[in-house]
Amino acid sequence: GQQVMQIPQYQHVQEGEDFTTYCNSSTTLSNIQWYKQRPGGHPVFLIQLVKSGEVKKQKRLTFQFGEAKKNSSLHITATQTTDVGTYFCAGNNYGQNFVFGPGTRLSVLP
Amino acid sequence: DVKVTQSSRYLVKRTGEKVFLECVQDMDHENMFWYRQDPGLGLRLIYFSYDVKMKEKGDIPEGYSVSREKKERFSLILESASTNQTSMYLCASSLEAGAGDSPLHFGNGTRLTVT
Repeated sequence: GQQVMQIPQYQHVQEGEDFTTYCNSSTTLSNIQWYKQRPGGHPVFLIQLVKSGEVKKQKRLTFQFGEAKKNSSLHITATQTTDVGTYFCAGNNYGQNFVFGPGTRLSVLP
Repeated sequence: DVKVTQSSRYLVKRTGEKVFLECVQDMDHENMFWYRQDPGLGLRLIYFSYDVKMKEKGDIPEGYSVSREKKERFSLILESASTNQTSMYLCASSLEAGAGDSPLHFGNGTRLTVT
């Protein structure tokens, strides 16, 4: 079945440093979503990517969907303590349910 | 704003007990889902439903069942709780029929401990 992997599992950064998490699917995806889960909270939808090579920005967050639609990345510029949490990607394989990656836990040291 | 409400935040049950986890959404969403979240494994889909009285197995349905008698309510049932079902359980809903591409709206989760 479809598998979604994410690296790294954990990332510790100093406040102001950049952060990137990578998501890779074993199959071609129709679309991919990204979620953020704050400590003690529940996953909250951030964005969806649909087109090959698509790039979307939300303030300091940049999301990319690979040309082959099998990988994606989330890049945060100049991290802040409010960015702390676990970031999940979730891939959809043409009408099937979303498969979540294991997540990348981000810690930001002030 | 969409609200997905799970009946309990924390639950402690004994091995062999029958456990009911309740979830209600208030936005008339078609789809409802039950996930369990374990460290290092992400969110794994247990069961989902695209309509009232409809249910489909997800990736890890063994040991679980579900009920959707009303559109807004989706219940997860552990027929005979076991210690390996100790986990965080997350309910979610989404708008569009079928898997679609609608965002998932999650409840706050129920942390179940089976002793």
